[in-house]
Amino acid sequence: QVQLQESGPGLVKPSETLSLTCTVSGGSISSYYWSWIRQPPGKGLEWIGYTYYSGGTNYNPSLKSRVTITVDTSKNQFSLKLSSVTAADTAVYHCARGGVTLDSWGQGTLVTVSS
Amino acid sequence: EIVLTQSPGTLSLSPGERATLSCRASQRVSSSNLAWYQRKPGQVLRLLIYGASSRATGIPDRFSGSGSGTDFTLTISRLEPEDFAVYYCQQYGNSPYTFGQGTNLEIK
Repeated sequence: QVQLQESGPGLVKPSETLSLTCTVSGGSISSYYWSWIRQPPGKGLEWIGYTYYSGGTNYNPSLKSRVTITVDTSKNQFSLKLSSVTAADTAVYHCARGGVTLDSWGQGTLVTVSS
Repeated sequence: EIVLTQSPGTLSLSPGERATLSCRASQRVSSSNLAWYQRKPGQVLRLLIYGASSRATGIPDRFSGSGSGTDFTLTISRLEPEDFAVYYCQQYGNSPYTFGQGTNLEIK
């Protein structure tokens, strides 16, 4: 059964770039879409975007100018970069398998934006 | 952007009872592209239903989804103790894909 695990800094300063990695175990990253979703404290889930294993992407228009999602098939990982962060980007960030329906999720990692 | 409104916010029921959770969309969801997820404390989110009514792999048949257009329902026919959790709907017919705010199904 595939498992996903997010990793990265838990604290990012305003105006800097948030960088997270999702490591996929128990299955290959190939032939699937891979997504990032976030949930700010006390708020609902927000779709960030997805990538195909071979590189095509689709991003939430509200974040598109700041988001990059990439895949490293050699490491069975995919990554999220979110630039110019503000306090509004503080959230639990989840990675998941799938581009539309998400059939496997990571536990999520809290990223706080603060100086 | 399609806004999904779930009701009720909290549903208090007893094991063995039937649960009916609602998800209403602000615009028609194309091709019934609606999914339901379950979140239990300390566990990852789990896909239950996709395409409005198709059960995901390994999901018990007490879970069923229905609806089309703007009104969708998740029904749990007979609640088991492990079913008490938070449930989210998601539409993926129109970008950006959006989620409902969740229904907390709690033990009465």
